[in-house]
Amino acid sequence: EIVLTQSPATLSVSPGETATLSCRASQSVSSSFLAWYQQKPGQAPRLLISNASNRATGIPDRFSGSGSGTEFTLTISSLQSEDFAIYYCHQYNNWPQGTFGQGTKLEIK
Amino acid sequence: QVQLQQSGPGLVTPSQTLSLTCVISGDSVSSNTVAWTWIRQSPSRGLEWLGMTYYRTTWYQEYAGSVKSRITINPDTSKNQFSLQLNSVTPEDSAVYYCARLQARTLHYWGQGTLVTVSS
Repeated sequence: EIVLTQSPATLSVSPGETATLSCRASQSVSSSFLAWYQQKPGQAPRLLISNASNRATGIPDRFSGSGSGTEFTLTISSLQSEDFAIYYCHQYNNWPQGTFGQGTKLEIK
Repeated sequence: QVQLQQSGPGLVTPSQTLSLTCVISGDSVSSNTVAWTWIRQSPSRGLEWLGMTYYRTTWYQEYAGSVKSRITINPDTSKNQFSLQLNSVTPEDSAVYYCARLQARTLHYWGQGTLVTVSS
């Protein structure tokens, strides 16, 4: 099973600044099978980024994803109040079971 | 627009069966390009994939090893929905359960979540 490790566990950033979230895989993951999700309290996760760098429909361009192999990054620029949430990376390299990272909580500084 | 609406009890007695249903609108449970999945989330386990059902000229089910002996996921084509049954539950099965649609190995659409507590 591929283990995803996200860092940091909690990230404190001021509105208007840029947040950089990391996701490291225990073995190589195809970029086609790496996604990022945002979760707010009491809500289901929402797809932000698929294929490591493709924004989902309706996702603002301040969200961007990058990376390959075992290192992936989600960058959120010009942070807005609605961006403070928990972010999860997710890999689906080995059918049928995908795995999630443990999440990074983005909080207001 | 695809929507997934979950239903089922929020309280289950230990050793009994957890049963949830996910009604699909805007897509078909018989679509041959997607898979219909169940995922749960708890503070101790995080987000955990439980299993899926999908149609590719015949029906398939895949289950996580951690629950394989206790889980059944079935499609219901007459109602365009799919269900989760988890047998012999313990308090460790308490979690928020989500249904979701998997396409191109990405979970594009999620149900609203159901908090299930296992307690007597």
